[in-house]
Amino acid sequence: DAKTTQPNSMESNEEEPVHLPCNHSTISGTDYIHWYRQLPSQGPEYVIHGLTSNVNNRMASLAIAEDRKSSTLILHRATLRDAAVYYCILRDGMGNTPLVFGKGTRLSVIA
Amino acid sequence: DAGVIQSPRHEVTEMGQEVTLRCKPISGHDYLFWYRQTMMRGLELLIYFNNNVPIDDSGMPEDRFSAKMPNASFSTLKIQPSEPRDSAVYFCASSWALGTQYFGPGTRLLVL
Repeated sequence: DAKTTQPNSMESNEEEPVHLPCNHSTISGTDYIHWYRQLPSQGPEYVIHGLTSNVNNRMASLAIAEDRKSSTLILHRATLRDAAVYYCILRDGMGNTPLVFGKGTRLSVIA
Repeated sequence: DAGVIQSPRHEVTEMGQEVTLRCKPISGHDYLFWYRQTMMRGLELLIYFNNNVPIDDSGMPEDRFSAKMPNASFSTLKIQPSEPRDSAVYFCASSWALGTQYFGPGTRLLVL
């Protein structure tokens, strides 16, 4: 799977939007962009995924650059419960590969 | 559904002892994954199964580690003999057709 690059950590104020960036310059045409997050002392959980178009769900929005070499996970109003490690993962939609996690971005939310 | 169930949640053992971690995947899921998480190495995929058959065990660190899936609702990860460097949080996850993966709460293992 292609590699992703994320900042090690980010900080946000509560109730403000958060934009978590992910670079994936070697993405292939069949790679889906997945985001998972891991809350403290829990297993990772699915957040959102997309291929080319921007995606929205109840948890977040995913904005994908036109050339697909980068994407941004958007939390519209950060809460203290959003403090977690956020992982951006590429996975080939045509292959049979499970998720391979990188280091992710540790998001801190300040009250 | 209760989600992925793992047991025990915590395990403390002495070096050289056998450790068995257990996982019950979500009913109907055909893929099961074992991951290990440490501060140094992050979240590593150890092995995964499809329809109870191991597909890729290249992440298993060494022969002391073994995993089985005797039926669709149960899997074990065994470490024999255990060593202090095996101390980590072990996660089990399951999915249907390599879709969204659902993770269990993890087993925190400490080998003294």
